Amino acid sequence: EAGVAQSPRYKIIEKRQSVAFWCNPISGHATLYWYQQILGQGPKLLIQFQNNGVVDDSQLPKDRFSAERLKGVDSTLKIQPAKLEDSAVYLCASSPRPSPSSYNEQFFGPGTRLTVL
Amino acid sequence: KNQVEQSPQSLIILEGKNCTLQCNYTVSPFSNLRWYKQDTGRGPVSLTIMTFSENTKSNGRYTATLDADTKQSSLHITASQLSDSASYICVVSAIKAAGNKLTFGGGTRVLVKP
Repeated sequence: EAGVAQSPRYKIIEKRQSVAFWCNPISGHATLYWYQQILGQGPKLLIQFQNNGVVDDSQLPKDRFSAERLKGVDSTLKIQPAKLEDSAVYLCASSPRPSPSSYNEQFFGPGTRLTVL
Repeated sequence: KNQVEQSPQSLIILEGKNCTLQCNYTVSPFSNLRWYKQDTGRGPVSLTIMTFSENTKSNGRYTATLDADTKQSSLHITASQLSDSASYICVVSAIKAAGNKLTFGGGTRVLVKP
C-alpha cells in the first residue's frame, strides 16, 4: 500500500513570496490533515478535511494560508505572502473514515521543509 | 486547555541500554493515547495506541504504559539500538463531535550512541 505522498520535499523562498505544497493521501482515506511542525516542537494542526469539506481550520492563519481539496482526494496548501516565522516542516496526514471500532489512526507523509529567508 | 507535556526534552543513551520517556496530559474527554516515532526528515510513525481501559501495550522493544487516573504515560525502550535515534511524540486524542482531535506533545529527542 502506497503511503502519503508530499511534494516538494524542500523549498527555500524569500519573505513575501508565495509557495504551495501538494499532498496525495493514501487511497480511500476520507480525512486529510495539514500540520505545521516548527523545529523542536510537536506538529500543530492547520486544517482538517473530511472528503472535500473543511472540518477544522481554527488554527489556520487565514490571512496568509489557504488550503483546498476540491475533489476530495489530493490537496494543496498555499502560503501567500510568506513570513520568516513560517519556516517549518509541513506535514500531511490521512486517515480512513472513522468507525466505532477504529482508532482513526493518522498516517503521515514525509513532510515539506520550508525555509523562508 | 488540552495540553501534553513530555520529559525529558532530550536524552543520550548508550547502545544496548534501556530508557523511559514520560508524558503527562490534561486532555478531556479522553479517547486514546498514542506514541509516535519520528526519524529525522520523516513523518511520524505510530508505535502504540492505547484506550482508557488499556494500561500497557508493546511493539517489539517498545512498551507503553498508561495510567488514566493520574493522566500519565511512559514509553520504555529496551536494549536500545542505533536506529532508535529519533524523536518520540506523545499524542492524546480527545472525543469531539466532529471526530477525535489530537493534541501533540513537543517530543523527546533520543540519541543512541555506540
